[in-house]
Amino acid sequence: GESVGLHLPTLSVQEGDNSIINCAYSNSASDYFIWYKQESGKGPQFIIDIRSNMDKRQGQRVTVLLNKTVKHLSLQIAATQPGDSAVYFCAERREGADGLTFGKGTHLIIQP
Amino acid sequence: EAEVAQSPRYKITEKSQAVAFWCDPISGHATLYWYRQILGQGPELLVQFQDESVVDDSQLPKDRFSAERLKGVDSTLKIQPAELGDSAMYLCASKRDRGADTQYFGPGTRLTVL
Repeated sequence: GESVGLHLPTLSVQEGDNSIINCAYSNSASDYFIWYKQESGKGPQFIIDIRSNMDKRQGQRVTVLLNKTVKHLSLQIAATQPGDSAVYFCAERREGADGLTFGKGTHLIIQP
Repeated sequence: EAEVAQSPRYKITEKSQAVAFWCDPISGHATLYWYRQILGQGPELLVQFQDESVVDDSQLPKDRFSAERLKGVDSTLKIQPAELGDSAMYLCASKRDRGADTQYFGPGTRLTVL
């Protein structure tokens, strides 16, 4: 399944399918981007990050893609599992700042 | 695996009372952040420390919020007096130093103001 648009709050996918979560960022001078997973009642958990001088980075079952031309970031999760169910946030580090600016989040729901 | 520690995990208070949250970053991490997360939204930065010094508190409501990191290790965030709109999750994060990229978050303190 694939989310479209910046503000889609929920993405529902079948277990075993690939998930794609999209995020648009606002500042073309942002130099660093990161994805976090947040389960209910817990703090954000680091998934994967990427610097602006790269366009793709892969981890275990996850891939982050960065398109600076359209200021778009995506997180791909391969073979989605029930444990992947959570809210996923993208965040950017804007020019001149060190703290992160977070997006609104996408709730990923896994259907059996 | 080292983690950011926070306490308490939950706090319920009445408006106009004072509350305090504590954070112990990952050992050796010089940079520490406090974020506030309102239910259904992403975290928002309140304050950033480098060692014991504040480097960014531009988003901290200084009339009621204060933060300190006296010895450059653990940190305390205080709200006095608490207001209904302060109900949120308060998250602490740390990273190795200003040159590092990845911030690691603690479990948060869920504050409810009645």
